[in-house]
Amino acid sequence: GENVEQHPSTLSVQEGDSAVIKCTYSDSASNYFPWYKQELGKRPQLIIDIRSNVGEKKDQRIAVTLNKTAKHFSLHITETQPEDSAVYFCAARIISGTYKYIFGTGTRLKVLA
Amino acid sequence: DAMVIQNPRYQVTQFGKPVTLSCSQTLNHNVMYWYQQKSSQAPKLLFHYYDKDFNNEADTPDNFQSRRPNTSFCFLDIRSPGLGDAAMYLCATSRDGGVGTQYFGPGTRLLVL
Repeated sequence: GENVEQHPSTLSVQEGDSAVIKCTYSDSASNYFPWYKQELGKRPQLIIDIRSNVGEKKDQRIAVTLNKTAKHFSLHITETQPEDSAVYFCAARIISGTYKYIFGTGTRLKVLA
Repeated sequence: DAMVIQNPRYQVTQFGKPVTLSCSQTLNHNVMYWYQQKSSQAPKLLFHYYDKDFNNEADTPDNFQSRRPNTSFCFLDIRSPGLGDAAMYLCATSRDGGVGTQYFGPGTRLLVL
């Protein structure tokens, strides 16, 4: 079945360092890959996304890369700040009659001041 | 400005007492989703509507039902809540085709006593 693996499950970095979270998807028909940030008790917030026809996308300190051949995509956060601390979820949109999203298991990021 | 609205934000019910959660959207999106999210876990898709077409996930318990009377509204009915159903319930919408970005509501936290 369709699934998305996400690693690591927890990640601690020093403030100012970079953080990288990796995901692997199984359905080669997936064509859209969003990343969500979720703070405690709040809704998932879309922070960046990438389509299957693009290899990389950047938005200020956040970037996402996609390797379609390997079915990998990664989130890169540079110059991390304490407010980046949250749980991050990757997702892959699949097409099985209609569009639905498969979520990764999440990464708890802690940025240490 | 709210785009996806969920009511109530907090719901307390008794074991076995039916409960209904509601979701409304101002985006005119044709796809609506219901997710269950338990602490420290990824959102788990329960079902979704593509227009009026209902799509149930294979592992969604029969205890969970949904209704979508029109484009704007979608309801989640839990017929006989158990202690294991205590969770955050997230509604989301997306437009089929096009960008496909998924927008989440703020969630309803359900407590079962």
